[in-house]
Amino acid sequence: QVQLVQSGAEVKRTGSSVKVSCKASGGTFGSSTISWVRQAPGHGLEWMGGITPIFGTTDFAQKFLARVTLSTDESKSTVYMELSSLRSDDTAVYYCAREFVFRGVIGFDYWGRGTLVTVSS
Amino acid sequence: DIQMTQSPSSLSASVGDRVSITCRASQSISDSLNWYQHKPGKAPKLLIHAASYLQSGVPSRFSGSRSGTDFTLTISSLQPEDFATYYCQETYSRRTFGQGTRVEVK
Repeated sequence: QVQLVQSGAEVKRTGSSVKVSCKASGGTFGSSTISWVRQAPGHGLEWMGGITPIFGTTDFAQKFLARVTLSTDESKSTVYMELSSLRSDDTAVYYCAREFVFRGVIGFDYWGRGTLVTVSS
Repeated sequence: DIQMTQSPSSLSASVGDRVSITCRASQSISDSLNWYQHKPGKAPKLLIHAASYLQSGVPSRFSGSRSGTDFTLTISSLQPEDFATYYCQETYSRRTFGQGTRVEVK
């Protein structure tokens, strides 16, 4: 059974950065793309970007291209999402999710439980 | 970018009701459309994959269909545990989510 375990809640100042981790177990780490999705209070789900560890390739939503860095540590089966230049509207729950492909269609089948990031001045 | 327009934004229903939620893509996305259920404090859950395939373990009262660029999630008989927010997601180009539909108790 695949599990994605995320790091704990963070409180950050505006203008700073936050780095959230997502540790995978129970599957073949590296060959699956891990995506990051966030939900701000009162808003819907928003895809931020994804990384395929085995290739180190990344893909981002245009909105996050300049501020998000995705990285991996294969020895720890962990993916990291760093968001820089934090603003108050970055306050959200951040989820990691594993991508899978079925009949040529990508879906997100396993999710972490989410990491609350609170940004204040 | 492909835009996903989901409707309604919310609906009120009773246990046993048949509920339908629609998502329209701004251009053709073939069958690259998924449906998720999201409850407060929980991770989203994949219900329907590739427009009409029921994810393993998901009750058969959930179904998905496609007509061109219009996609529909149907709950045939709403159960108490189904009150939640539902999202569509296209994965044809990016991984864009619809705006969400909150299913509330009538």
